Amino acid sequence: GENVEQHPSTLSVQEGDSAVIKCTYSDSASNYFPWYKQELGKRPQLIIDIRSNVGEKKDQRIAVTLNKTAKHFSLHITETQPEDSAVYFCAASPNQAGTALIFGKGTTLSVSS
Amino acid sequence: NAGVTQTPKFRVLKTGQSMTLLCAQDMNHEYMYWYRQDPGMGLRLIHYSVGEGTTAKGEVPDGYNVSRLKKQNFLLGLESAAPSQTSVYFCASNQKLHTGELFFGEGSRLTVL
Repeated sequence: GENVEQHPSTLSVQEGDSAVIKCTYSDSASNYFPWYKQELGKRPQLIIDIRSNVGEKKDQRIAVTLNKTAKHFSLHITETQPEDSAVYFCAASPNQAGTALIFGKGTTLSVSS
Repeated sequence: NAGVTQTPKFRVLKTGQSMTLLCAQDMNHEYMYWYRQDPGMGLRLIHYSVGEGTTAKGEVPDGYNVSRLKKQNFLLGLESAAPSQTSVYFCASNQKLHTGELFFGEGSRLTVL
C-alpha cells in the first residue's frame, strides 16, 4: 500500500521568511496530493491540492510542486505570518479500488514575530 | 448545514470496556472515514466506507469495527478497549473517494485507563 514520508517534523521560521515542507510517496499509482492545515485543537482543513497532471499550483502565499518521476511533492509558504503556525499534513491517494487517502506524519510549523 | 458531527467529543474508558463513536454527515457524501491521530504519528486511516452498507479496512484496523447502515452515519466500535487505543479520533467524509476534499468532524478524544 501507499506510504507517505514527510519532512521535517518541526520547522521554526521568522515572520516574513519562507517555509518548505517536503513529502515523498511510494505508490506510483498515486495521482492526487492534498495538503491539510490543522490549528491547535481544531480539525484538519484542506489548504491546497494538486493532481498528477500538473507540476505546480499556487494560491496566494502558498504553492505546491510535484515531481512524479522522483515521487515527491512540496508545500511552499512565502511571507510567513504568525497565523501560519499550525501542523501541516501532506497526503497521497492512489486512484484505484481498495485504497483511500494516506497521510504523512505532519510538520509542526512555528512562525515567530 | 452542520457538516460532520462526532459524538461523544470526550470519553474515558477502562481497559476492556466497549464503546461506539458516532459520526453523522448532512452533506449527502458517499464516502466516510475514521482516522486516529496520535502525537508524531499523523492521521492514520482505521476503516472507511464507499457507500451505505459497505466498509473496508485502512492502515490500522485491528481492535476496531465499523458499520454504515445509513448513508449519513458511520459508527466506530471498540469491543474491548486497550490503553493503546487512547487517541483523538476524527471522522471525515467526501464526495469523491480519491480526489475530493475531506471534511472532518471536530474530533473525539478517547482515553483508555
